[in-house]
Amino acid sequence: GESVGLHLPTLSVQEGDNSIINCAYSNSASDYFIWYKQESGKGPQFIIDIRSNMDKRQGQRVTVLLNKTVKHLSLQIAATQPGDSAVYFCAYNFNKFYFGSGTKLNVKP
Amino acid sequence: DSGVTQTPKHLITATGQRVTLRCSPRSGDLSVYWYQQSLDQGLQFLIQYYNGEERAKGNILERFSAQQFPDLHSELNLSSLELGDSALYFCASSLGPGTGAPYEQYFGPGTRLTVT
Repeated sequence: GESVGLHLPTLSVQEGDNSIINCAYSNSASDYFIWYKQESGKGPQFIIDIRSNMDKRQGQRVTVLLNKTVKHLSLQIAATQPGDSAVYFCAYNFNKFYFGSGTKLNVKP
Repeated sequence: DSGVTQTPKHLITATGQRVTLRCSPRSGDLSVYWYQQSLDQGLQFLIQYYNGEERAKGNILERFSAQQFPDLHSELNLSSLELGDSALYFCASSLGPGTGAPYEQYFGPGTRLTVT
């Protein structure tokens, strides 16, 4: 079956450091990938997306890297801030959406 | 605020009962998605509607059903409730059909369902 997995369930970083959240997926035919952020008590919030014809995309303080060879997706957050503390989901769209179980990011002041 | 509204915010009911969750998409969005989020299952896609028609189906149980009305709001009906149905139910909306196209989904605040 389809699966989207996360390498680490919890990630703790110091404020100001860079964070890297990883994700593995199983369907090599997937064409679109998304990262979502979910803060406690709120719904998921779109962060950044990337199509399968790209290997890197940058946003404000965030970068998504896609390695189709090893079916791996990562989210890099630069200069992590306390407000970045949340659960981060990777997901991909192949006819329907599949979500990972999430990585909890703790930012220590 | 994503612009997607969901009611009720919390719902407590007993096993065997039936409940209806309601979602209003962002203004202009034609697609509505329903998701279930439980502690041990993560975020699971249930079903998607686009402009009133079912577009994609995920892991939705036969006890669950949904529809999208002409005004584009959507309802998720959960019947013969079991303890395991306790979860957060999210609705999301997007401009387009979403399937195979990178239409950003906007999530509502969710409905927390507790089945006792």
